[in-house]
Amino acid sequence: KQEVTQIPAALSVPEGENLVLNCSFTDSAIYNLQWFRQDPGKGLTSLLLIQSSQREQTSGRLNASLDKSSGRSTLYIAASQPGDSATYLCAVSSRGTSGSRLTFGEGTQLTVNP
Amino acid sequence: GAGVSQSPSNKVTEKGKDVELRCDPISGHTALYWYRQSLGQGLEFLIYFQGNSAPDKSGLPSDRFSAERTGGSVSTLTIQRTQQEDSAVYLCASSLVSDNSPLHFGNGTRLTVT
Repeated sequence: KQEVTQIPAALSVPEGENLVLNCSFTDSAIYNLQWFRQDPGKGLTSLLLIQSSQREQTSGRLNASLDKSSGRSTLYIAASQPGDSATYLCAVSSRGTSGSRLTFGEGTQLTVNP
Repeated sequence: GAGVSQSPSNKVTEKGKDVELRCDPISGHTALYWYRQSLGQGLEFLIYFQGNSAPDKSGLPSDRFSAERTGGSVSTLTIQRTQQEDSAVYLCASSLVSDNSPLHFGNGTRLTVT
């Protein structure tokens, strides 16, 4: 059974800092890994999707890496802004499951202080 | 529509009543998923549709929960004889194809059972 863990559970940083969020998963047989952002009272917004054959994806100030063999992914946020404050969720789509059924971590709650 | 639409956004019901939650996926998306997010917990998979059929219902927590999808589009999640532990945010997601496609989430329905 796939399990996803995110560390830290919460993070508070001053504006402008670069930061790294960590995600680990137990079964390396994955289709892909997605990073999502969730604002309070809202649904999930997809940030980046990394296919199992890829090592990283970049979008603006965000960079996500994937090391499938070690079961790890990181989300790097450069020059953080208060608007980045949200909960960040990591999810993996595992082979052998139906469709793109995702297993989620419990998230990292990020606060960027002005 | 431009995104996944869920209704109602909030629902308060009395214990023992039945509720129906609706999801309108992105047009053309063949795969549809229901997830549940309980307070302080991660996202829990409920059911997956490919077209109108549900090849994976393994996440439904009890026989009080059921879901259907018609016309390969709208889906309804029904909870019969609601219990207080059913209180959660119910999130719907859709994707273009079933495997290896990013999921797009709606804003969810917040269900409160009193």
